[in-house]
Amino acid sequence: GQNIDQPTEMTATEGAIVQINCTYQTSGFNGLFWYQQHAGEAPTFLSYNVLDGLEEKGRFSSFLSRSKGYSYLLLKELQMKDSASYLCAVTDSNYQLIWGAGTKLIIKP
Amino acid sequence: GAVVSQHPSRVICKSGTSVKIECRSLDFQATTMFWYRQFPKQSLMLMATSNEGSKATYEQGVEKDKFLINHASLTLSTLTVTSAHPEDSSFYICSASASLQGSEKLFFGSGTQLSVL
Repeated sequence: GQNIDQPTEMTATEGAIVQINCTYQTSGFNGLFWYQQHAGEAPTFLSYNVLDGLEEKGRFSSFLSRSKGYSYLLLKELQMKDSASYLCAVTDSNYQLIWGAGTKLIIKP
Repeated sequence: GAVVSQHPSRVICKSGTSVKIECRSLDFQATTMFWYRQFPKQSLMLMATSNEGSKATYEQGVEKDKFLINHASLTLSTLTVTSAHPEDSSFYICSASASLQGSEKLFFGSGTQLSVL
């Protein structure tokens, strides 16, 4: 079956760095997305990785290792507004999007 | 970037009524749109894939007669929840795929919170 695993919840301190991991087992791979979702709102696009390596975009970076079926989202200089759920999603060989359950990130002052 | 507009953002209705949710791609043409629902503290669940000019493809377990999808143009898809019941109360989100910088990305509408009394 197809599966995406990410931690249910993480806690970090304002100003610190946090890494949210995502592992996947899917039938084929055509890219991995990270989305941010605040409570009661739709997800917003953060990053897209299709090749191995690190993609940096401001305070957020995303890493992919296709051979390991692994990705992480790195958030630097955490701000209170970063408190949200972070969703990992993978596009399989049929271009179907498989969603993880999301990681709830709690930022403490 | 690509913008997807979804209306209404919130709707409260009586049991047995039908509710229509609109999803529009404002600055691009979307041949394919997706409809999701999300229950509290759960992941997004794909309900159906909507293709312009053809019938929608529903995921297993989703009642096509209850969740009517119409994708009449390249910029508009609608989801109608027919004879809504309290168990249909959920957060419904649409998305459309757009090709940006050589790769396909999904852009989401703002979502519709449906509450059925």
